[in-house]
Amino acid sequence: GEDVEQSLFLSVREGDSSVINCTYTDSSSTYLYWYKQEPGAGLQLLTYIFSNMDMKQDQRLTVLLNKKDKHLSLRIADTQTGDSAIYFCAEADFNKFYFGSGTKLNVKP
Amino acid sequence: DTEVTQTPKHLVMGMTNKKSLKCEQHMGHRAMYWYKQKAKKPPELMFVYSYEKLSINESVPSRFSPECPNSSLLNLHLHALQPEDSALYLCASSRLLAEQETQYFGPGTRLLVL
Repeated sequence: GEDVEQSLFLSVREGDSSVINCTYTDSSSTYLYWYKQEPGAGLQLLTYIFSNMDMKQDQRLTVLLNKKDKHLSLRIADTQTGDSAIYFCAEADFNKFYFGSGTKLNVKP
Repeated sequence: DTEVTQTPKHLVMGMTNKKSLKCEQHMGHRAMYWYKQKAKKPPELMFVYSYEKLSINESVPSRFSPECPNSSLLNLHLHALQPEDSALYLCASSRLLAEQETQYFGPGTRLLVL
């Protein structure tokens, strides 16, 4: 579970939906996470999904998991300028988290 | 309360200095972690403690020395660091050391080594 990939940048307009994608390689991962990191700050847990789920919704956030393709996505509805940050997906394998490279989300007013 | 606190927020040190980073949580978590994060990179795991015992050391140089004096505190002692050690050092904790346990991160200490 060491290869977690994300696209580096995403730019959207305020009010649009953002979709951040992540692919992972370890099919035995049971939990997958999304963290948000604002400039100069630590990582804030946004949400997580258990591998036997296809979808999880939490207010403006929707996580979709395609286990067959090992693809995870985070959709942010009605994106706001305060959502501008770097978003990391992570998979948990035994005792370790493996983080993706992070996607920098830029929200234009 | 899911708060992990770290002090100091910023630290500047010379290569001959000795300093310590501190991390604290009062959630009753028994696993604590140190990560190093360089700019525009994901966090890299350094050390993991479980029940105050070192469980994982990711081949970190000996100039970084972790310590877990009790279940709420985690320290990282720094000595003779190099400029390339400049980074954001993140502490995290989880209820237990297991893959289904969510890790909660502190705000980090931004370290600059001159």
